[in-house]
Amino acid sequence: LAKTTQPISMDSYEGQEVNITCSHNNIATNDYITWYQQFPSQGPRFIIQGYKTKVTNEVASLFIPADRKSSTLSLPRVSLSDTAVYYCLVGDGTGGFKTIFGAGTRLFVKA
Amino acid sequence: GAVVSQHPSRVICKSGTSVKIECRSLDFQATTMFWYRQFPKQSLMLMATSNEGSKATYEQGVEKDKFLINHASLTLSTLTVTSAHPEDSSFYICSARDQGGLRTDTQYFGPGTRLTVL
Repeated sequence: LAKTTQPISMDSYEGQEVNITCSHNNIATNDYITWYQQFPSQGPRFIIQGYKTKVTNEVASLFIPADRKSSTLSLPRVSLSDTAVYYCLVGDGTGGFKTIFGAGTRLFVKA
Repeated sequence: GAVVSQHPSRVICKSGTSVKIECRSLDFQATTMFWYRQFPKQSLMLMATSNEGSKATYEQGVEKDKFLINHASLTLSTLTVTSAHPEDSSFYICSARDQGGLRTDTQYFGPGTRLTVL
């Protein structure tokens, strides 16, 4: 049973900021939140990981509220090449977890 | 970043034959690797957890005698699909956890193997 819930799909236009929210109501104290991107016929690619507040790297930002029951992946100024499926996963920070993928969010970026 | 490779990238075989897929962590050691299967337009489904030096742990509904997993070293896990049938045709993806990495709880995924059984 997946521990996360995301919108099934989203549409955007090039140059816009895209925010994808993930619900994880049963997140445990040790769980980190990790987002992956997957293109067709490729393995998922790590985007960003966080535990609380805000994390930013060269490709995205991750916002996590104080209760950690949700998180939002923010993609600034998307391009056509950002069209992909985005997965939000939560896992036990001790490493003793097994990852169950939810349905993910299909982002379609239009010109 | 951590790199995971898979070989072959695609394979076509006849029904009844066995196919071996290799998963390697190229620049880190992985005590634990994971095997997933993904059908078109669907999410990844965890098949089994591969533990170095011990037996794999299979998810419910996955036949351990059909999907043989061997994790003989800290950088290599293999998945053998035995007596493959057309319904086994799928995209198989492995991942490895970098225990020495800076990021906690991060899995790095291989590029996947497309299996087609005729």
